[in-house]
Amino acid sequence: EIVMTQSPATLSVSPGESATLSCRASQTVDSYLAWYQQQPDQAPRLLIYGISSRATGIPARFSGSGSGTEFTLTISSLQSEDSAVYYCQQYHSWPLTFGGGTKVEIK
Amino acid sequence: EVQVADSGGGLVQPGQSLRLPCTTSGFIFGDHAMAWVRQAPGKGLEWVSLIRNKDYGGTTEYAASVKDRFTISRDDSKSIAYLQMNSLKAEDTAVYYCVRGMPGVIGYYMDGWGKGTTVTVSS
Repeated sequence: EIVMTQSPATLSVSPGESATLSCRASQTVDSYLAWYQQQPDQAPRLLIYGISSRATGIPARFSGSGSGTEFTLTISSLQSEDSAVYYCQQYHSWPLTFGGGTKVEIK
Repeated sequence: EVQVADSGGGLVQPGQSLRLPCTTSGFIFGDHAMAWVRQAPGKGLEWVSLIRNKDYGGTTEYAASVKDRFTISRDDSKSIAYLQMNSLKAEDTAVYYCVRGMPGVIGYYMDGWGKGTTVTVSS
C-alpha cells in the first residue's frame, strides 16, 4: 500500500498571501496524483488531477506541481473561501490512498 | 452538470446490513467507473470500493477493511450504483460519499461527489 503523508497538518495564512501544501508518497506514483478540497461541512471536490491539471471550474490560483514522490499544492492570493481541508490522493496503484489532510486557516 | 446523489444511510446495530444507492445524472453513467469513499467522524478520507464500467468488465476493487463484507454493484439501465454493506462494525461508522471515478492507467481519481450519507453502527 502506498502511504501518503501531508504536511503541515495545519497552515494559517493571511488573506492575499500564498499557501504551500506538501504531499509525499511512500513510493513513486508517477503522475497519478490528485488534490481535493473539503470546505467545512461540505463534500470534498476535485481540484487537481495528474499532478497539475485543474478540474473544471477551479480558479487559476490553485496550482499543483511535483513528481515521483514529492508533490505540492500552491494556493496563491488566498481568499476566505479557501479555508478548508486539502487532501492528496494517489491513483497509481491499489488500494487508492489519501493523505491525512492539511487544514488551511485564514488569519 | 454531473450530479451524484447518495442516500440510504441510517443507524444500524453491529452485524446488520445496509444498502446505499447512488443515483446519477448529467453524464453517461455506463461510460464511467463509480466508487465509494468514506469519512469517519473527525477523520480523513478513506477509499472503500470501485466498480469499473462495462468496457472494463464491470470489475470491482475493495479496500482490505471491507473486502468480503461489502459489495459494490451498478445498474447501467437506471444509472444507479449500490454499496451493499453486510456484517457492519462500529468502525464502519462514517459519512459515505458516492463518487464518479476518472481513470488513470491503473487507478482512478474522483470527480463528481455526492453530498454524503451517514451510516452509524451502534448498539
